Amino acid sequence: GAVVSQHPSWVICKSGTSVKIECRSLDFQATTMFWYRQFPKQSLMLMATSNEGSKATYEQGVEKDKFLINHASLTLSTLTVTSAHPEDSSFYICSASHSYSNQPQHFGDGTRLSIL
Amino acid sequence: ELKVEQNPLFLSMQEGKNYTIYCNYSTTSDRLYWYRQDPGKSLESLFVLLSNGAVKQEGRLMASLDTKARLSTLHITAAVHDLSATYFCAALPMDSNYQLIWGAGTKLIIKP
Repeated sequence: GAVVSQHPSWVICKSGTSVKIECRSLDFQATTMFWYRQFPKQSLMLMATSNEGSKATYEQGVEKDKFLINHASLTLSTLTVTSAHPEDSSFYICSASHSYSNQPQHFGDGTRLSIL
Repeated sequence: ELKVEQNPLFLSMQEGKNYTIYCNYSTTSDRLYWYRQDPGKSLESLFVLLSNGAVKQEGRLMASLDTKARLSTLHITAAVHDLSATYFCAALPMDSNYQLIWGAGTKLIIKP
């Protein structure tokens, strides 16, 4: 149980393109969803926390107009990287939480984003 | 503010050897988690430690939690190549149910 599906797994696109990443909780309703960014050989960096139906809470230094988060339902959150540039290339991981798990977060498989 | 410090950051060892990875945290937390990450992959949950003195074992890995010392350890016994990965510890602040505070990770390479 507690499966989180993240899509797509790998994206390569040209600079200036906007890219949308989806995160779905398949067998549970997620109380909260998280978006992380991970650079090579580094730990996870929390970008934002979102609750269904409300605006996301962004961490300091993360541009909310650059990284648009929509959490329209209890099973779906999307991250859109707007007008992506090479410095946005990274590994993005989503996670979801629900009240009846001993795990605070269940992780998606991650999306590798490469901007040319 | 809770901070998590993991040591060592990098470890290369021979198969068959034992080693321990340490995870110290700065303020009170009684919920500590260990994850494994393979290159290019997301995180895999290894252990959930929810009380002082908790010890969990899975195969050649054993994790423990000492909340008084604010220390968790991940012990590797008779390492094998398949255990090569990056290992992260993460703690939950007392005032949060979901938002994890992460260690920097330990990259473990086990040589045949």
